[in-house]
Amino acid sequence: IQLTQSPSSLSASVGDRVTMTCRASQGISSYLAWYQQKPGKAPKLLIYAASTLQSGVPSRFSGSGSGTDFTLTISSLQPEDFATYYCQQLSSYPYTFGQGTKLEIK
Amino acid sequence: EVQLVESGGGLVKPGGSLRLSCAASGFTFSSYSMKWVRQAPGKGLEGVSSISGSSSYIYYADSVKGRFTISRDNAKNSLYLQMNSLRAEDTAVYYCARVTYYYDSSGYYYPLDYWGQGTLVTVSS
Repeated sequence: IQLTQSPSSLSASVGDRVTMTCRASQGISSYLAWYQQKPGKAPKLLIYAASTLQSGVPSRFSGSGSGTDFTLTISSLQPEDFATYYCQQLSSYPYTFGQGTKLEIK
Repeated sequence: EVQLVESGGGLVKPGGSLRLSCAASGFTFSSYSMKWVRQAPGKGLEGVSSISGSSSYIYYADSVKGRFTISRDNAKNSLYLQMNSLRAEDTAVYYCARVTYYYDSSGYYYPLDYWGQGTLVTVSS
């Protein structure tokens, strides 16, 4: 299963509402996770089951979607949110990752 | 506190071998599947290999099948990746990650909830 994330990069300002998408090459129900990765650091799990927030993740992060189209939304960008975001399908092996969306400061 | 600490990375010539280790603490290691994920410089994430808690189920990406071997020692709370016949395209930061599981009405989900800090493998002559 191929995952295509868009856009590949995104510029935004602190306080902005940001949305990025992940499209699967075939239906995966809600078997999708989102990760955040900051430069030089390991990825961090944000969301699984397309919309369930991992414990400790701020509520400004939200996920939605089912089937082939998914979105990650950050309601009000904070300085610490500038990072690269990856989706991963959890439907069938191998659990592939998308190519990432890099969120940069405008 | 869950901790995963990788070691064993370094510079190796093409065709050489390297063994990565991941020391786990803060959870019942044998109860969890574990995974190796790599990231080439400036690139995205690629799942390399995974192993179930009892070592009954093992998976390899096509790109490493026949060259890499994953194993674990539950008595030592350790995960390993033996890498042979290394190629330039294996150059990457290698992360070990814990495969967790969640259940809802739709079924089971197996995301990666804890990751190590990564160890860099450079394959170059």
